[in-house]
Amino acid sequence: NAGVTQTPKFQVLKTGQSMTLQCAQDMNHEYMSWYRQDPGMGLRLIHYSVGAGITDQGEVPNGYNVSRSTTEDFPLRLLSAAPSQTSVYFCASSYSRGRGQRYFGPGTRLTVT
Amino acid sequence: GENVEQHPSTLSVQEGDSAVIKCTYSDSASNYFPWYKQELGKRPQLIIDIRSNVGEKKDQRIAVTLNKTAKHFSLHITETQPEDSAVYFCAASWEGAQKLVFGQGTRLTINP
Repeated sequence: NAGVTQTPKFQVLKTGQSMTLQCAQDMNHEYMSWYRQDPGMGLRLIHYSVGAGITDQGEVPNGYNVSRSTTEDFPLRLLSAAPSQTSVYFCASSYSRGRGQRYFGPGTRLTVT
Repeated sequence: GENVEQHPSTLSVQEGDSAVIKCTYSDSASNYFPWYKQELGKRPQLIIDIRSNVGEKKDQRIAVTLNKTAKHFSLHITETQPEDSAVYFCAASWEGAQKLVFGQGTRLTINP
């Protein structure tokens, strides 16, 4: 099993550009989520999904969109990148919503200039 | 909603000494408290978790204690080694919750 995979590993965007961060898992987990990690801020939840076709907002959803058309994939879209979105982004999947272990992807380091 | 506070933000200990990281949570419904370790440039990985029906759980050199009355839980690492250097995150959730809420993280450095 590959577990949770993310692409790309690194990305540089200019302000106003859009892009999609890809996330896929092969563990048949229903629950998937996106976090951003900033120094001193911990891991903050952006969006999550409890199954195909169902998504909801986390703590910091502004500027991001998600969709979940399959169990395996959970892409994160930046609509119009801003310097404040410079961060490391982690996708995670879990067999359980609340009490399940989160399996994290390797992360995407995004810089917006 | 749930809020998790973690202290200290940085911790430096001598190799062989013990390290303690503390977290407090706000939602009394929370009953699942995991700890994640993130080595430099790597992804966070679960190292231990505790559920509210126990007060302490050990796994070799690491242990977690829980005080539900005071709404705090702690990670204890004994006989620290250089490979324990990492960022540690606590988190809290409950069975019906939609999300796992993380603390701000503690950067632990083990000095030789």
